[in-house]
Amino acid sequence: GQNIDQPTEMTATEGAIVQINCTYQTSGFNGLFWYQQHAGEAPTFLSYNVLDGLEEKGRFSSFLSRSKGYSYLLLKELQMKDSASYLCAVRDDGGGATNKLIFGTGTLLAVQP
Amino acid sequence: GAGVSQTPSNKVTEKGKYVELRCDPISGHTALYWYRQSLGQGPEFLIYFQGTGAADDSGLPNDRFFAVRPEGSVSTLKIQRTERGDSAVYLCASSSTGAPHNEQFFGPGTRLTVL
Repeated sequence: GQNIDQPTEMTATEGAIVQINCTYQTSGFNGLFWYQQHAGEAPTFLSYNVLDGLEEKGRFSSFLSRSKGYSYLLLKELQMKDSASYLCAVRDDGGGATNKLIFGTGTLLAVQP
Repeated sequence: GAGVSQTPSNKVTEKGKYVELRCDPISGHTALYWYRQSLGQGPEFLIYFQGTGAADDSGLPNDRFFAVRPEGSVSTLKIQRTERGDSAVYLCASSSTGAPHNEQFFGPGTRLTVL
């Protein structure tokens, strides 16, 4: 079956670092995405990993271990505007032509002063 | 350039009615996706178009749901005999096969409420 797990909620302090974990079990794998979604808005792309290792992009980094079915998103120097839901998604090609994303439920991050 | 647009932004309808939701993808994007998102959940895949054809419709919950993309650009998601459980935000996304990660760009969604 398809399963993507991530914590439901997290709280962190402005200026701090937070790590949001994601574990997945999917029938196919062709990359893992992290999206940010502010309340009432569309998800926006943050990062992409298809090979094992760390991808860094400014204050955001994402890590992937395919053998463990595990990823994390690291946010540094937290700002109040980082309060949002963070969605982990696996691109599941299912061995075929599809390009669909399988999403986790999202982690609601609250950044406090 | 313009992003993905969706109309209407909000739709309230009565149980049993028919609704159409429209998606305008980013110009030149050949791939188009429909997802729906319930409160507190991640988006759930419905259907994927490559050009005019539905490459994967495995996420459509039942035969009340249907989507078309006749000219390979604008898409319409059609829901017949709506039920209260269909209430959700319906998100459309598009992508270009030429993009580095082929990431999907999402529209603002249509909030459907079935009374």
